[in-house]
Amino acid sequence: AQKITQTQPGMFVQEKEAVTLDCTYDTSDPSYGLFWYKQPSSGEMIFLIYQGSYDQQNATEGRYSLNFQKARKSANLVISASQLGDSAMYFCAMREGSGGSYIPTFGRGTSLIVHP
Amino acid sequence: DVKVTQSSRYLVKRTGEKVFLECVQDMDHENMFWYRQDPGLGLRLIYFSYDVKMKEKGDIPEGYSVSREKKERFSLILESASTNQTSMYLCASSPTGYQPQHFGDGTRLSIL
Repeated sequence: AQKITQTQPGMFVQEKEAVTLDCTYDTSDPSYGLFWYKQPSSGEMIFLIYQGSYDQQNATEGRYSLNFQKARKSANLVISASQLGDSAMYFCAMREGSGGSYIPTFGRGTSLIVHP
Repeated sequence: DVKVTQSSRYLVKRTGEKVFLECVQDMDHENMFWYRQDPGLGLRLIYFSYDVKMKEKGDIPEGYSVSREKKERFSLILESASTNQTSMYLCASSPTGYQPQHFGDGTRLSIL
């Protein structure tokens, strides 16, 4: 079973609108970290935002926020006021602490296209 | 800023060749990782290393080996390259724990 599921292979959004990219995860470990990365067409992976399993507040970084619903095991990325430069692949990832390995697991990604 | 440098952005090799992909990080990170990325499959972990001379297999280690003789350098070796190893290869490093990974720019490897 996949530990990280991103159900939207592709998303389209109008410039200046908000968009939500879905991510659900599966773990029995009470301690874990959730991450979102952006990969433009040039190929480099860029870290966007982090949410710890014990964090009470949803993480925010500029136009990025993470809608963390622990009971539902979801960690959706919200991008406000989309820009053309937001067009990219977006990956959700998790690091679990069981056994101290902290091996990251990635979803298959969502391709976001921002229209002018 | 953390810098992870992969030796080549593009590489073309022939089947049966031994191929070396090099990765260097400059932030004294304990953990280093090699992934391959194929369309629709996301990132799949080949090997990771949590310390010098230590390595662990990831999800798809077959046909690959790794070497970490120094903390800053993690090498991926394709022992005998095959066409099904044509892919994008990404190296990453991170501290231990719930820290984000820092990625190199990737190597697009073609095996002919």
